[in-house]
Amino acid sequence: GQQLNQSPQSMFIQEGEDVSMNCTSSSIFNTWLWYKQDPGEGPVLLIALYKAGELTSNGRLTAQFGITRKDSFLNISASIPSDVGIYFCAGPFYSGGSNYKLTFGKGTLLTVNP
Amino acid sequence: KAGVTQTPRYLIKTRGQQVTLSCSPISGHRSVSWYQQTPGQGLQFLFEYFSETQRNKGNFPGRFSGRQFSNSRSEMNVSTLELGDSALYLCASSGITGANVLTFGAGSRLTVL
Repeated sequence: GQQLNQSPQSMFIQEGEDVSMNCTSSSIFNTWLWYKQDPGEGPVLLIALYKAGELTSNGRLTAQFGITRKDSFLNISASIPSDVGIYFCAGPFYSGGSNYKLTFGKGTLLTVNP
Repeated sequence: KAGVTQTPRYLIKTRGQQVTLSCSPISGHRSVSWYQQTPGQGLQFLFEYFSETQRNKGNFPGRFSGRQFSNSRSEMNVSTLELGDSALYLCASSGITGANVLTFGAGSRLTVL
């Protein structure tokens, strides 16, 4: 079946620490996306990856598209309180014809202690 | 450029009732996708509409339906509500169909009593 396994499920860290989370897929992807959801809001795109081996940064965030095309990781350096939220990986599972479903991991809940 | 707008933001219904949720995509976006978010299951894909046609459907019962209008606005309907339908319903829009980068609205929080 179509599965995205995201880990860890939750993290509780001190402000200033670095964070790493990852995602693995049962299928090969052409795109990996990382989203963040703040409480009471919808997910917001952080980083999009389009090429195997690609390493992309967005400020303190760095994400990589695994060389096997079945995994990706997201790193956050020097965490700050506003990094609190749920982080989701997402990728397109083929669903027949020319259709793909953007499927999300179950999320990593990040808590940052000031 | 206005974002994705969902209404209502919060609503409470009782079992057996039906509900209609509305989504206005980003101007110019023709694809609208709907997701159900619950603590246990995460974001589950409901369906995608593009140019008024359903292009893709998730694994939800027929009680969940949707439609898209010529101005790309979309509605989803849930009939005969069950307690397990309590969730955050998220709408997302994209410029093209398929699994592209999606821009999400803030969601409609449905509570079924």
